[in-house]
Amino acid sequence: ILNVEQSPQSLHVQEGDSTNFTCSFPSSNFYALHWYRWETAKSPEALFVMTLNGDEKKKGRISATLNTKEGYSYLYIKGSQPEDSATYLCAPGAGAQKLVFGQGTRLTINP
Amino acid sequence: KAGVTQTPRYLIKTRGQQVTLSCSPISGHRSVSWYQQTPGQGLQFLFEYFSETQRNKGNFPGRFSGRQFSNSRSEMNVSTLELGDSALYLCASSLLTSGEADTQYFGPGTRLTVL
Repeated sequence: ILNVEQSPQSLHVQEGDSTNFTCSFPSSNFYALHWYRWETAKSPEALFVMTLNGDEKKKGRISATLNTKEGYSYLYIKGSQPEDSATYLCAPGAGAQKLVFGQGTRLTINP
Repeated sequence: KAGVTQTPRYLIKTRGQQVTLSCSPISGHRSVSWYQQTPGQGLQFLFEYFSETQRNKGNFPGRFSGRQFSNSRSEMNVSTLELGDSALYLCASSLLTSGEADTQYFGPGTRLTVL
């Protein structure tokens, strides 16, 4: 069973500050690591898919790193904006398109 | 290109009934996965279909079933509904060019309430 842990569970950040959160997963059952952003009343939005140890992806002010050997990924948001408020989910792939999601980090940006 | 669509968006059923949810993937996507989201369990994988074949299944009872048609549209069925089946059901489609690294694109979900 793939156990995915995300921390912290929730986070309040002032607008303009930078923040980061963690996704931990068993490194032995790893295919690819997916990050999603899920805003209330919307569909989960894909941010990154990462496969290689040491991989780093960037999309605007959001970036992510991956360590497959130790089983963790960090998501960074630089200069947080109110529109960044959402739940951020990570999900390792467990074969045949099966994503195993963590409980998510709920981010709230305070103006 | 149109995104993943799901119908209906909202559904209210009573215990013991059955329900069928529909998912139309992004044009050209052949893999469709289904997930259940509840406050207590988060997003959990139900099953995945590719070329009309179920390739992977999550840890759900046999009351949960699905199928995929030749046009890649998929349906999931829940029989003998229980109160605990109340959830948001999401489907996701992917192109399957990179295997496990393929992005899954999610639909808006069907909110099922069982009374």
